[in-house]
Amino acid sequence: DADVTQTPRNRITKTGKRIMLECSQTKGHDRMYWYRQDPGLGLRLIYYSFDVKDINKGEISDGYSVSRQAQAKFSLSLESAIPNQTALYFCATSDTTGSEETQYFGPGTRLLVL
Amino acid sequence: KQEVTQIPAALSVPEGENLVLNCSFTDSAIYNLQWFRQDPGKGLTSLLLIQSSQREQTSGRLNASLDKSSGRSTLYIAASQPGDSATYLCAVNRYSGGGADGLTFGKGTHLIIQP
Repeated sequence: DADVTQTPRNRITKTGKRIMLECSQTKGHDRMYWYRQDPGLGLRLIYYSFDVKDINKGEISDGYSVSRQAQAKFSLSLESAIPNQTALYFCATSDTTGSEETQYFGPGTRLLVL
Repeated sequence: KQEVTQIPAALSVPEGENLVLNCSFTDSAIYNLQWFRQDPGKGLTSLLLIQSSQREQTSGRLNASLDKSSGRSTLYIAASQPGDSATYLCAVNRYSGGGADGLTFGKGTHLIIQP
């Protein structure tokens, strides 16, 4: 089984709808991240969480919210989806107990907002 | 604001060649630098991580170097193979008191190895 899983893998929604993307990890890592990838713009950080009680905004947090329900789960919500939120969304984890803090990525969720 | 640039944006070479991918960043106050590989429609696979105090890291045919003071990193791929075809991403991690926070990515180098 994959260490970092994302659900759903693909999602089509309409403008104005609320949707949630979920991320789960079995790596036991304390930190979790959400990124989006757009053609020509690369990957950009949306939110990150150091632990269950610590949530931080990234470069492009407007229009998004997150919830860290447990150490292993980090969900991303679009309260009212708009077409320019169409993108590939990645969740990632890292472990601060080690010395390297390599980030490990999930397989991604492809979101289309009509 | 940290900016990461990767050159070239695309590269096509015959199988067997050695090649170098370049990455530069504007703020030298980094915690670490990570190189990733991304296959079409897939997620990111971590290749190498270099801590800010290190100069290079090696894994198999891959060697990554870091010159933090000049804001540069290179990824060297030896004896390239068609299976190396992918987009290679460079990303830097900033230190934020409690440890590294999120990565800032370059836009990648799209690499094609011709059989």
